[in-house]
Amino acid sequence: GDSVTQMEGPVTLSEEAFLTINCTYTATGYPSLFWYVQYPGEGLQLLLKATKADDKGSNKGFEATYRKETTSFHLEKGSVQVSDSAVYFCALSSGGSNYKLTFGKGTLLTVNP
Amino acid sequence: DAGVTQSPTHLIKTRGQQVTLRCSPKSGHDTVSWYQQALGQGPQFIFQYYEEEERQRGNFPDRFSGHQFPNYSSELNVNALLLGDSALYLCASSFTNYEQYFGPGTRLTVT
Repeated sequence: GDSVTQMEGPVTLSEEAFLTINCTYTATGYPSLFWYVQYPGEGLQLLLKATKADDKGSNKGFEATYRKETTSFHLEKGSVQVSDSAVYFCALSSGGSNYKLTFGKGTLLTVNP
Repeated sequence: DAGVTQSPTHLIKTRGQQVTLRCSPKSGHDTVSWYQQALGQGPQFIFQYYEEEERQRGNFPDRFSGHQFPNYSSELNVNALLLGDSALYLCASSFTNYEQYFGPGTRLTVT
């Protein structure tokens, strides 16, 4: 079945540091890939997405590229801020639909001033 | 424009009881999905409703059931509660197959 593996957290960085959160997946067919962010006490917000190989999703300075050959969708940001502190989830939907999202376990990011 | 809303925010129940959680989708959305998020884990798909029918179901027992109303709002029912059902229950809405928008969740504690 479908699965998503994220790098184990927590990740602690200083403000303006470079961020990478690794994500790899297993899926049938050609899944769509997503990064969601969850701030404390809130639900999930879609951060970015990519629907086909080599697509790059980007939003708020975050980027991730759909790499079919390595089945990866790593999240990156060049300069993190304290306000980026949150839990980040990699997810996929497969079968050509958005019926069901399969999530990774999440990575807690803490950014210190 | 109101986003996805869920009620109640928090709930405490006793083992063996039954619970009903409610979700109102974002305006213009016709599809509602439910997820269970245990502490420290990613959300797990429970089921999805479209046109008042269960369209797809995850690996959850029959104790978990749902309903979608003509106005697209939805309920999640859990019978015979177990301690392991304690979790954050998230509702997500979408317009057919497009991206899902999540509500803030209902925190269920089973004692």
